Amino acid sequence: GESVGLHLPTLSVQEGDNSIINCAYSNSASDYFIWYKQESGKGPQFIIDIRSNMDKRQGQRVTVLLNKTVKHLSLQIAATQPGDSAVYFCAENGEGTASKLTFGTGTRLQVTL
Amino acid sequence: DGGITQSPKYLFRKEGQNVTLSCEQNLNHDAMYWYRQDPGQGLRLIYYSQIVNDFQKGDIAEGYSVSREKKESFPLTVTSAQKNPTAFYLCASTLRTGVGNQPQHFGDGTRLSIL
Repeated sequence: GESVGLHLPTLSVQEGDNSIINCAYSNSASDYFIWYKQESGKGPQFIIDIRSNMDKRQGQRVTVLLNKTVKHLSLQIAATQPGDSAVYFCAENGEGTASKLTFGTGTRLQVTL
Repeated sequence: DGGITQSPKYLFRKEGQNVTLSCEQNLNHDAMYWYRQDPGQGLRLIYYSQIVNDFQKGDIAEGYSVSREKKESFPLTVTSAQKNPTAFYLCASTLRTGVGNQPQHFGDGTRLSIL
């Protein structure tokens, strides 16, 4: 399949451990944030989103934390599985209009057995 | 099943040739987007359309053109003016609501290469 990032930062995690992927966003006016998962050769898949009036949101096995003070976003994956291996992107809405998103460069998550 | 369909999955372009990438969605989404993805970089916005018969340039529109004649379709043409077209092209759509942003949903991309 296609490589979505040859020189991405990589996080290696053992199966069953928790993963934390971090993202620093750039625009203090952003009020909507999304995490995407991208497997090789496929399009990004929506994982979870959060609005700026919240600092934490939980989904199935995933939690997103938002720290607006330092413009930091994190994705926590509980009990990481081999199927979680992928590139993870954060995105922010930046200008706050037209549903336009600005994407980070991504982090590759490798799950070892 | 509802979703976004991009075709073809692989496309080859000769020098000086225009090629068109197809994007169709049956989600009844209002807005559609085209992104370009290069290794080691985030997605970069080429063009977007919030409503039929209207579209705006994104950050890297030079060498590309689009049309939005139907709500469900947003084809992208990579023209001969685009000197470095080799990339993975992603189409996305989102439902515009009056209550704020909604996530964009993506197709599975078209890989364009130069012959």
